[in-house]
Amino acid sequence: AQSVAQPEDQVNVAEGNPLTVKCTYSVSGNPYLFWYVQYPNRGLQFLLKYITGDNLVKGSYGFEAEFNKSQTSFHLKKPSALVSDSALYFCAVRPNDSWGKLQFGAGTQVVVTP
Amino acid sequence: DAGVTQSPTHLIKTRGQHVTLRCSPISGHKSVSWYQQVLGQGPQFIFQYYEKEERGRGNFPDRFSARQFPNYSSELNVNALLLGDSALYLCASSLRSANTEAFFGQGTRLTVV
Repeated sequence: AQSVAQPEDQVNVAEGNPLTVKCTYSVSGNPYLFWYVQYPNRGLQFLLKYITGDNLVKGSYGFEAEFNKSQTSFHLKKPSALVSDSALYFCAVRPNDSWGKLQFGAGTQVVVTP
Repeated sequence: DAGVTQSPTHLIKTRGQHVTLRCSPISGHKSVSWYQQVLGQGPQFIFQYYEKEERGRGNFPDRFSARQFPNYSSELNVNALLLGDSALYLCASSLRSANTEAFFGQGTRLTVV
C-alpha cells in the first residue's frame, strides 16, 4: 500500500532564512510526486511535481524540491522564505500505473516570522 | 480561463439529512475527483470519474455517491449525514494522465449539526 509521511506538524522559520519541508513516501514502482499549498479556507494550489529526470525540480513562487530515490524522499525547499509563504503544505504521491487518486500526507504548517 | 468551481462554498446540514455538492472542471478536463479534508488532516480520496464512469473509489461508506454529467461536471451526494461528515470537500479536475497535476477548487465547507 502506498503512503506518504510528513514528519513535522509545523516548521518555524525566520523571513529570509531557508525553508525545508520534509516528505517521505512508500509506493511500489516509480511514483509521481507532488507538492501542494493550502491557504486558510482555500483549496489546494499546485506547486511542483516530479515525474522523471533531474532530481531537482523547480516550481512556482521560488520553491523547489529534491527527489531522492534511495531515501524515498521528496523534500520541498525555498532558499529565502517570505512571510507570505506561511501556509499548510501537502506532499502527495501517485503510482505511475494509476492516473487516478492522489495519496496525501497529513500536512506541514509553515510559519514564517518577520 | 476559469478554474475548478465548486458550489456551494458553505453548507450547514442536520444529522440524517442529505447533501449534494457540485463541481465544474476546467475546460478540457474530463477527469473529476472528490476528496474529503477533515480539519487537521490531509485530503482523503473519495471518488474519481472519467468520461461519466467511476474509475476509482476510496474507503468511504455507501452513503457517499457521485456521478459525472455529459459536460464533465460532477455531483457528490452524501446521505444520512453524520457529525463526522463535517469537513471541507474538495473537487479536482485533471487530464487523463498519471503525470499531470490535479487542479483543485476552493472546496465546500460542510458542517453537520
